[in-house]
Amino acid sequence: QVQLQESGPGLVKPSETLSLTCTVSGGSITTYFWSWIRQPAGKGLEWIGRIYTGGTTNYNPSLKSRVTMSVDTSKNQFSLNLTSVTAADTAVYYCAREVAAGGGRQFDYWGQGTLVTVSS
Amino acid sequence: DIQMTQSPSSLSASVGDRVTITCRASQSISSYLNWYQQKPGKAPELLIYAASSLQSGVPSRFSGSGSATDFTLNISSLQPEDFATYYCQQSYSTPRTFGQGTKVEIK
Repeated sequence: QVQLQESGPGLVKPSETLSLTCTVSGGSITTYFWSWIRQPAGKGLEWIGRIYTGGTTNYNPSLKSRVTMSVDTSKNQFSLNLTSVTAADTAVYYCAREVAAGGGRQFDYWGQGTLVTVSS
Repeated sequence: DIQMTQSPSSLSASVGDRVTITCRASQSISSYLNWYQQKPGKAPELLIYAASSLQSGVPSRFSGSGSATDFTLNISSLQPEDFATYYCQQSYSTPRTFGQGTKVEIK
């Protein structure tokens, strides 16, 4: 059973960089797209971007100037950096696996989510 | 970006009711439409992928239909554990986008 676990600071100061890591267990990180998705309290889901294990990335244009993703296949981990954060970046951050199967592309495994608060 | 619009935003229903949630895409997305269920404090869980395929382990009372721009999630007989928020999501193009959610509450 594939499991994903987010880790990183729960509190980040305004203007600083939010850094999170997602560790994948129970399966290989290779040959999949891995995404970051966030959800402000009481609101909907926003896709931040994704990385393929070959290093290819796609970012949401709304965040593209501030987002960098990376992958470490030797550790079965991928990471998110979001620079110049403000209070608007306060949210629960999820990592998720996107699989292409059955004629579709879907997020079939998710981490439990980690709350990141931006505050001084 | 492809905009996803769900309706209604919320609904009240009783156990045993049939529930229908709709999702409309701002352009054709073929069948690249997924449905997720989210309970408070939990991550979303995949229910339906490719518009109508039931994810493994998901009860058969859930079903999906539609193509191009108009999609539907049906729950044939609402159970107590189905009270949650439901999201549609398109995987036709990036950025991936979600509907705003439909909260299903107890009547």
